[in-house]
Amino acid sequence: QQQVKQSPQSLIVQKGGISIINCAYENTAFDYFPWYQQFPGKGPALLIAIRPDVSEKKEGRFTISFNKSAKQFSLHIMDSQPGDSATYFCAASRYSNDYKLSFGAGTTVTVRA
Amino acid sequence: KAGVTQTPRYLIKTRGQQVTLSCSPISGHRSVSWYQQTPGQGLQFLFEYFSETQRNKGNFPGRFSGRQFSNSRSEMNVSTLELGDSALYLCASSPGNGELFFGEGSRLTVL
Repeated sequence: QQQVKQSPQSLIVQKGGISIINCAYENTAFDYFPWYQQFPGKGPALLIAIRPDVSEKKEGRFTISFNKSAKQFSLHIMDSQPGDSATYFCAASRYSNDYKLSFGAGTTVTVRA
Repeated sequence: KAGVTQTPRYLIKTRGQQVTLSCSPISGHRSVSWYQQTPGQGLQFLFEYFSETQRNKGNFPGRFSGRQFSNSRSEMNVSTLELGDSALYLCASSPGNGELFFGEGSRLTVL
């Protein structure tokens, strides 16, 4: 069973636009929420991560918003660029060095120039 | 610094055979995890090794096994292959801070 539900499955955004990907979880034991970016033919790479004691974390054009009461978190990609075209996965685990991550199904983002 | 290296990158097997996949972690990383990636099930955790000990295991049948050597290199084995084992098998190493560094994977096709 999918412990982390991710939506949408895919999205298309114009260059300079905002991409928003949403994830929801049920397991309240989850305490670490990373996002991974994967390009075709490559393995996933860590993009940004957040803990539940923080409601928002920003790194460059990437922002995670976290709503603990709703058990939801989202990734915002600001000023989207063609190089951002990739598949994005949200994930969750019980703590940061628990490598048993539960991944969402992934969102394929296409940025049109 | 070299990244995570997985071999072989591609392989084709037939049902009933077994396969061994190899992973060399980033130098200094002692934790190695394995994930299976398929279009239908997505990324699923197989197991994690640290200092030659399996610390965690996912919900896969006993046909899936792994081990880690004293130099942190790891192997995973799948016995009695089934068609549904066709997947990209990803190895990831970590320096212990929670961040996973993935290799490019071994793509297994079972005919």
